[in-house]
Amino acid sequence: NAGVTQTPKFRILKIGQSMTLQCTQDMNHNYMYWYRQDPGMGLKLIYYSVGAGITDKGEVPNGYNVSRSTTEDFPLRLELAAPSQTSVYFCASSWTGDEDTQYFGPGTRLTVL
Amino acid sequence: AQSVTQPDIHITVSEGASLELRCNYSYGATPYLFWYVQSPGQGLQLLLKYFSGDTLVQGIKGFEAEFKRSQSSFNLRKPSVHWSDAAEYFCAVSSGGSYIPTFGRGTSLIVHP
Repeated sequence: NAGVTQTPKFRILKIGQSMTLQCTQDMNHNYMYWYRQDPGMGLKLIYYSVGAGITDKGEVPNGYNVSRSTTEDFPLRLELAAPSQTSVYFCASSWTGDEDTQYFGPGTRLTVL
Repeated sequence: AQSVTQPDIHITVSEGASLELRCNYSYGATPYLFWYVQSPGQGLQLLLKYFSGDTLVQGIKGFEAEFKRSQSSFNLRKPSVHWSDAAEYFCAVSSGGSYIPTFGRGTSLIVHP
């Protein structure tokens, strides 16, 4: 199993550009999450999904969108990138029966200039 | 609402010394508690977790943690630190089956040779 994979690893965007951060898991987990990590701030939940076709907002959803058309994939879309979205983004997943234990991807470091 | 406090932003220890990282939580019922480790440039990896039962929990890499309900604490310990333990450590809390844990801000462990 590859676990949770994220692409790209690094990206630099200009203000106003858009991009999609990809996240795929091969563990057949129902639950998937997107977090952002800023220095000294821990992890903030952006969006999460409890299964294909179902998504919900987390603590900091503004400026982001998600979709979940399959169990495996949970892309995060940034529209009109802003410098405040400069961060490290982590995707995570968990499975039914142990929903609270999360498995993390390696992260995407995004810089918006 | 649940919350987690990691009072130490940085901890510096010498290689071979013992380690204790503090974590205090706020939650009304019996919490689910976790410790994750993040090596530089990597995603978070689960070290150990407590759901119920024995309050002393053993994890990977020689770590252990003790749940103390009276002190609302879940401190992480290791008897002898190795240079490879230098990393960021996150404590997290959730209610059983809520599938959305709350993370602390993290403690950065620095290991001197």
